[in-house]
Amino acid sequence: GENVEQHPSTLSVQEGDSAVIKCTYSDSASNYFPWYKQELGKGPQLIIDIRSNVGEKKDQRIAVTLNKTAKHFSLHITETQPEDSAVYFCAAKNAGGTSYGKLTFGQGTILTVHP
Amino acid sequence: SQTIHQWPATLVQPVGSPLSLECTVEGTSNPNLYWYRQAAGRGLQLLFYSVGIGQISSEVPQNLSASRPQDRQFILSSKKLLLSDSGFYLCAWSEQGISEAFFGQGTRLTVV
Repeated sequence: GENVEQHPSTLSVQEGDSAVIKCTYSDSASNYFPWYKQELGKGPQLIIDIRSNVGEKKDQRIAVTLNKTAKHFSLHITETQPEDSAVYFCAAKNAGGTSYGKLTFGQGTILTVHP
Repeated sequence: SQTIHQWPATLVQPVGSPLSLECTVEGTSNPNLYWYRQAAGRGLQLLFYSVGIGQISSEVPQNLSASRPQDRQFILSSKKLLLSDSGFYLCAWSEQGISEAFFGQGTRLTVV
């Protein structure tokens, strides 16, 4: 089955700096890679995703890049703000076949943005 | 628009007691439904998923079961809770053939 590794487990930055979180996956059949943000005591919220037919996607201050050859993808947050502080999860999925849309998650990154 | 409801938000139950957590989705038909468990605020483990009424697949052996009595209703149950069942339980849904999955707000279960 799919295995997703996420690094770092914790990340501390100053407000205004950039933050980068990296994930690797094992199943070359995976073709959908979402990122979730989870605030304390709440459910994860989908913030951005990328499909295997593109290499980069950007939405305001966040961007995701994908390297299919190396089987890794990254989340980039620019101009970080204290409200970006949360736990971030990457995930991978084979959106076709018989996987029924099951997501495999990384272990999460605790991002702290200091004012 | 679609919404997902999960309740209760918090629950404290004694060891050996039964459990029933409910999740409902509005604004869509025949969704894929999922139950995840999250321990210590990190790492989401898929417990069950369902692609239709009465169709349940289990990902890990455990003390829990799931049922889908209606198209947009997903229930997580246990006959006798164990201490190890404590955790944060999350329901999620996705449309058939669509990649995006959306989570409910979770239930914090503490077994004492």
